[in-house]
Amino acid sequence: SAVISQKPSRDICQRGTSLTIQCQVDSQVTMMFWYRQQPGQSLTLIATANQGSEATYESGFVIDKFPISRPNLTFSTLTVSNMSPEDSSIYLCSVDKGGVTDTQYFGPGTRLTVL
Amino acid sequence: AQSVTQPDIHITVSEGASLELRCNYSYGATPYLFWYVQSPGQGLQLLLKYFSGDTLVQGIKGFEAEFKRSQSSFNLRKPSVHWSDAAEYFCAVGAYSSASKIIFGSGTRLSIRP
Repeated sequence: SAVISQKPSRDICQRGTSLTIQCQVDSQVTMMFWYRQQPGQSLTLIATANQGSEATYESGFVIDKFPISRPNLTFSTLTVSNMSPEDSSIYLCSVDKGGVTDTQYFGPGTRLTVL
Repeated sequence: AQSVTQPDIHITVSEGASLELRCNYSYGATPYLFWYVQSPGQGLQLLLKYFSGDTLVQGIKGFEAEFKRSQSSFNLRKPSVHWSDAAEYFCAVGAYSSASKIIFGSGTRLSIRP
């Protein structure tokens, strides 16, 4: 498994501002993922972040709105830009440690409320 | 592309009773299958996974799941639930060719009746 931490754990932000969420893992991993979980909903993949390359975004998500950094093999950030109330969600990062089976381990999430 | 269906939005069972949560998947080849649990205000915890081999998979917290290819199902079971099992349960499917991406079902919320 993997130990994953996220900062902040929760935040309340004003419309039009931006928030950067940090994800730290206790070991080097190739693949990191960012998900959004809207209230009462399942998880939707925002993007895949591999170290040394641009993040790959899923349909409906764009880099200008959700810029991602992956400076090394244990750390990533997701920025939610120009926020609106519709961005109120839990944002989760996950890691895939590779090997024979692709298993993702999740961080505790960041609960974002936009007023 | 793979997809997952969890037909039960909310289930309530009595403490000590048995539990089965349903999951059906769609994928052309043998998938990876996962069950995750999310307690209120928490992230996701992996309960168990199926990759290959024995179709009955044992997980943490006394949970098990059975892969049935003929029914495209991966139902989660527990013989006797505890109040602490109240949570949201997500079934997920991955594929060999999907660059580690996994698709989540809509989730089943489990409530425990004292």
